[in-house]
Amino acid sequence: GNSVTQMEGPVTLSEEAFLTINCTYTATGYPSLFWYVQYPGEGLQLLLKATKADDKGSNKGFEATYRKETTSFHLEKGSVQVSDSAVYFCAIKAAGNKLTFGGGTRVLVKP
Amino acid sequence: EAGVVQSPRYKIIEKKQPVAFWCNPISGHNTLYWYRQNLGQGPELLIRYENEEAVDDSQLPKDRFSAERLKGVDSTLKIQPAELGDSAVYLCASSPGTTEKTQYFGPGTRLLVL
Repeated sequence: GNSVTQMEGPVTLSEEAFLTINCTYTATGYPSLFWYVQYPGEGLQLLLKATKADDKGSNKGFEATYRKETTSFHLEKGSVQVSDSAVYFCAIKAAGNKLTFGGGTRVLVKP
Repeated sequence: EAGVVQSPRYKIIEKKQPVAFWCNPISGHNTLYWYRQNLGQGPELLIRYENEEAVDDSQLPKDRFSAERLKGVDSTLKIQPAELGDSAVYLCASSPGTTEKTQYFGPGTRLLVL
């Protein structure tokens, strides 16, 4: 079946540091890839997505590139802010229209 | 445009009691999903509706869980009786249709079973 593996947290950074969260997946066919973010006390929000190989999703300074050869979708941001503190979930949507999530990575940005 | 609405936001019950969660999807979204998110984990799909039809309920524990979406709009998820292990956040999501792959999530209902 489909699965998503992402790096365990928590990841603790200083403001303006570079953030990367690794995500790899296994799936049949050609899935769509997503990053969702969950801020404290709030629901999941779509951060970015990519639907085919070599696509780059971007939003709010975050980027992730669909790497089919390595089955990866790593999330990056060049300069994090305190407001980026949240839990980040990598997810895939393959055949059957079902989202499969990773376990989440908690990010804490300190001023 | 209003997002996905869920109620209640929090619920505390004793084990063996029934509990129900309500979800109103984004207007015009035909597809509705219920997920369960255990503490420290990613959400897991319980059931997916296309309009009023449950098209994927393979992960729904049918001995105690039930769901309905009678008019193809809002939906109710019920647990009867609740067990300690049901403590989790129950998330509802919607999407415009099966070809639109983006799902939009509600704030969730946090359930604590004592």
